[in-house]
Parts: sequence; C-alpha cells; structure tokens
Amino acid sequence: NAGVTQTPKFQVLKTGQSMTLQCAQDMNHEYMSWYRQDPGMGLRLIHYSVGAGITDQGEVPNGYNVSRSTTEDFPLRLLSAAPSQTSVYFCASSYGDRYYEQYFGPGTRLTVT
Amino acid sequence: SQQGEEDPQALSIQEGENATMNCSYKTSINNLQWYRQNSGRGLVHLILIRSNEREKHSGRLRVTLDTSKKSSSLLITASRAADTASYFCATVDIISNFGNEKLTFGTGTRLTIIP
Repeated sequence: NAGVTQTPKFQVLKTGQSMTLQCAQDMNHEYMSWYRQDPGMGLRLIHYSVGAGITDQGEVPNGYNVSRSTTEDFPLRLLSAAPSQTSVYFCASSYGDRYYEQYFGPGTRLTVT
Repeated sequence: SQQGEEDPQALSIQEGENATMNCSYKTSINNLQWYRQNSGRGLVHLILIRSNEREKHSGRLRVTLDTSKKSSSLLITASRAADTASYFCATVDIISNFGNEKLTFGTGTRLTIIP
C-alpha cells in the first residue's frame, strides 16, 4: 500500500492564482481531512470528509474548497491564493473518524508570493 | 485556540537517557493521541490513550493520562538518535465548536537526541 499520497511536494504561487492540492489514499478509509501547519501554531483543520459526497468545514476553511467524489481522493482547492496561505499542507485519513489514528501524507509546502 | 499544549517546547538529551514530554488540555476529551514528525515529513501516529485509561505502553513509549489534571505525558526510554523529531499531542474533544469530527493538535515538543 502506498498509504496517503500528496502532490505536489512543493509549489510556488503568485497572489491571486488558483491551484489544487491532490490527496489520495489506498486504504479504503472513509474519513479524510486537510490540515495546515504553521510555525508555532500546530496543525489546524481546514476541511474534512466522512465519506464520498460528504464534506464539512474545519477550523480555518476560508479561501479553500474541497470535494469528495470518490473514497480514494480528497483534493483541496485554493480559489485565489494569498500570502497568508503560505504553509505546509497535510492530508490525513483514518478508518473511522477523529477517534481513530490518523495516517498522514508527506505534505505539500506552498509559498504564495 | 489550541487545546493541547506541549511542554517543554524543546528538549535536548544524551542518547540513552529518558525523555519526558507533557501535554495539557482544556476541555473534556474522548481520547488523546501522540504523534511524531520527523523533519520535512508527515506525522506518524504513536499511541492512543482513551479517557478511561491511565497508562499505556508501546515498546519504549509510555503514555500516562490524568483527566483530573487535564494532562498527559509521553516518556521515551533509552533514547536513540532516531528519536530526534517533533512530538505532538492531539485531543479528541467531546464538545467541539467546529463540528463533530476534529482532532486538536498542540504546538509540539522538539526533541533532539545528542549521540
């Protein structure tokens, strides 16, 4: 199993550009989530999904959209990038929900100039 | 706001010594999880302790939970250079302002093992 994969590993955007961060898992996990990690802030939840077709907002959803058309994929879209979105983004999945151990992807380091 | 707060923020010890990290939280929890993050990598789950458990072991790891003090500790015994990483606690809140499905992570303890 590849586990949780994320692409790209690194990305530089200009302010106002849009892009999609890809996340996929091959463990048939129902629960998937996106976090951002900033220095001194820990990880903060952006969006999550409890199954295909079901998504909801986390702690810091503004400026991001998600969809879940399949169990495997959970892309994160930045609508109009801003410097405040410079961060490291992690996708995670788990068998059940927050009660279970989370499997994290390797992360995408995004810089917005 | 942060639920889990790790202490200390950074810790350096000699290889072979024991390392202890603490996590404090604010609200009632269902369970508490510890994760490790090596530099430039994603987080790896280490251990989960439920609110009705007081202690749990996994290899060289020992986790305690004191719900009356709203605190947990992670002990790594006989440390190795490969244990150099950041360690995060994460709590599963019983009551959450952001919906039902959320882990809240602390800001982490940076552990350095000196060979």
